[in-house]
Amino acid sequence: EDQVTQSPEALRLQEGESSSLNCSYTVSGLRGLFWYRQDPGKGPEFLFTLYSAGEEKEKERLKATLTKKESFLHITAPKPEDSATYLCAVYTGNQFYFGTGTSLTVIP
Amino acid sequence: KAGVTQTPRYLIKTRGQQVTLSCSPISGHRSVSWYQQTPGQGLQFLFEYFSETQRNKGNFPGRFSGRQFSNSRSEMNVSTLELGDSALYLCASSLGTGLDTQYFGPGTRLTVL
Repeated sequence: EDQVTQSPEALRLQEGESSSLNCSYTVSGLRGLFWYRQDPGKGPEFLFTLYSAGEEKEKERLKATLTKKESFLHITAPKPEDSATYLCAVYTGNQFYFGTGTSLTVIP
Repeated sequence: KAGVTQTPRYLIKTRGQQVTLSCSPISGHRSVSWYQQTPGQGLQFLFEYFSETQRNKGNFPGRFSGRQFSNSRSEMNVSTLELGDSALYLCASSLGTGLDTQYFGPGTRLTVL
């Protein structure tokens, strides 16, 4: 069964305390993996697309990496404004599968 | 450039009724996808439309249907509402299908009583 699992479900960090979020997947025929950020009361906001194992992408304090079975979203020196739910999704060619997200809280 | 808009933003219905939700994509985008978001299941893919044709469909019952018009606007219909249909319904638009970046609207919060 195609499945996407994110861990941890929730994460509290002190401002400046770096960490990583995990997205593991079991799907047949990965075409792409996406990371989104979702703020309360809003729709998800696109962050990255990764296409193949070994690929990395960076944007400000965020870095996404991809292996054959999982992806990591590394957050370096986070700030309170990075607090949000981070979602990953995989595309198999005919359907998108989303994880249930990691709720990140960054404490000043 | 205006983002994806969804109407209405909030909706309350009773069991057995039907509902129609609307989504206006970003100008120039030809693909619209619909998702259901609930606390327990997260985002689940409903269907994707491109140039008025349904391209892909998720694992939802036939009570959930949609369509896309020639101006790329899309509607989603749920018939015979059940309590479990209470959710945030999100639509996303993209230039094309599949791997193109999806831009999400704010969602329609549906409550079924």
